Amino acid sequence: DIQMTQSPSSLSASVGDRVTITCRASQSISSYLSWYQQKPGKAPKLLIYAASSLQSGVPSRFSGSGSGTDFTLIINSLQPEDFATYYCQQSYSTPRTFGQGTKVEIK
Amino acid sequence: QVQLQESGPGLVKPSETLSLTCTVSGGSITSYYWSWVRQPAGKGLEWIGRIYISGSTNYNPSLKSRVTMSVDMSKNQFSLKLSSVTAADTAVYYCAREDSGSGRAFDIWGQGTMVTVSS
Repeated sequence: DIQMTQSPSSLSASVGDRVTITCRASQSISSYLSWYQQKPGKAPKLLIYAASSLQSGVPSRFSGSGSGTDFTLIINSLQPEDFATYYCQQSYSTPRTFGQGTKVEIK
Repeated sequence: QVQLQESGPGLVKPSETLSLTCTVSGGSITSYYWSWVRQPAGKGLEWIGRIYISGSTNYNPSLKSRVTMSVDMSKNQFSLKLSSVTAADTAVYYCAREDSGSGRAFDIWGQGTMVTVSS
């Protein structure tokens, strides 16, 4: 199985901050990397697919980059509605695997 | 727009079989892989497996011996069966669509259904 490791596990930030979350795969996954946002009691929501493509309807303050084993999700100018948990996920091979999540909290 | 809705018992006894169905509305079940993902309370996401309209499946090796998935094209539904459940199987279960056109991402999710394993 491909292991996905996110860092940090949690962070505190203020509205307007730039937030960076990283995800590392245990082997190369090309660009088969997606990012999801999950709020309490809700299903995950796709933000970024293919490492850097913005899902339709997702604000442009979200961006993704990387390929191979190292990936980054950046949230520019954090908004109140962005406080949530973020997960990366690889779709290079089965079983599909997720990172452990990064909880973004209000400072 | 395509929507997914999970359905099934919210309470299952230990050693019995958990059975869930996901109904796809607003679109066809063809041409996509359909997955099940679960999430224990306060924990992360675990992929259970997926099925294609042809019936082809891929299961997580950690659950493979207990998982069976099926698809009913006539009802636009796909299903999950997890046998010999224990308290460790208590979780919110989501169904999701995997879109090859979006880098194989899970682009559409159901709202999730809570399943508790308890006697």
